[in-house]
Amino acid sequence: QQQVKQSPQSLIVQKGGISIINCAYENTAFDYFPWYQQFPGKGPALLIAIRPDVSEKKEGRFTISFNKSAKQFSLHIMDSQPGDSATYFCAASNNQGGKLIFGQGTELSVKP
Amino acid sequence: KAGVTQTPRYLIKTRGQQVTLSCSPISGHRSVSWYQQTPGQGLQFLFEYFSETQRNKGNFPGRFSGRQFSNSRSEMNVSTLELGDSALYLCASSLRSGAVDTQYFGPGTRLTVL
Repeated sequence: QQQVKQSPQSLIVQKGGISIINCAYENTAFDYFPWYQQFPGKGPALLIAIRPDVSEKKEGRFTISFNKSAKQFSLHIMDSQPGDSATYFCAASNNQGGKLIFGQGTELSVKP
Repeated sequence: KAGVTQTPRYLIKTRGQQVTLSCSPISGHRSVSWYQQTPGQGLQFLFEYFSETQRNKGNFPGRFSGRQFSNSRSEMNVSTLELGDSALYLCASSLRSGAVDTQYFGPGTRLTVL
């Protein structure tokens, strides 16, 4: 029940295209869903986050869609750029302190 | 503000040894969490400290321990190292804003056990 399942494991997108990464969770106590971006040799960096009281959140080219009834959420990267090539992790927390449960990660490659 | 800093950045140890890793949180952050990242298991939560007290604990053996000091700096210790402990160890600090604990990660310590 503590798992967060992420797909796909890897993704190749052409420059200018839309990248879509999906996550699903089981624990209905989760109430905070961040996405992190990680470049090789670096720690994860917070990209965008959502709470279940909204169905969508947009920040620049990045959008989270949240479906509470299906217990799913996804990250959309519009106008994908080669600089977006990185590993993306979804995560979930019941916000009882700093314990994040991470998905397995998606390696995104944006081709020029 | 300076970000989360971790020392050392790289470490090589042999089986059976012990190791101590250090984390300095962002100024003003009182919570520090530790994660282990491996290619096979991904990012796994180890433990969290808040105001010098362990607030959350993951499913790791007792060989993994930590502590937090009064200035919020934290250390984690791994005793009797095993080959499988080779990983990137990440520290994150957080400052609760409203109902959310946003976590900011350091660059990690790459531990190699030979």
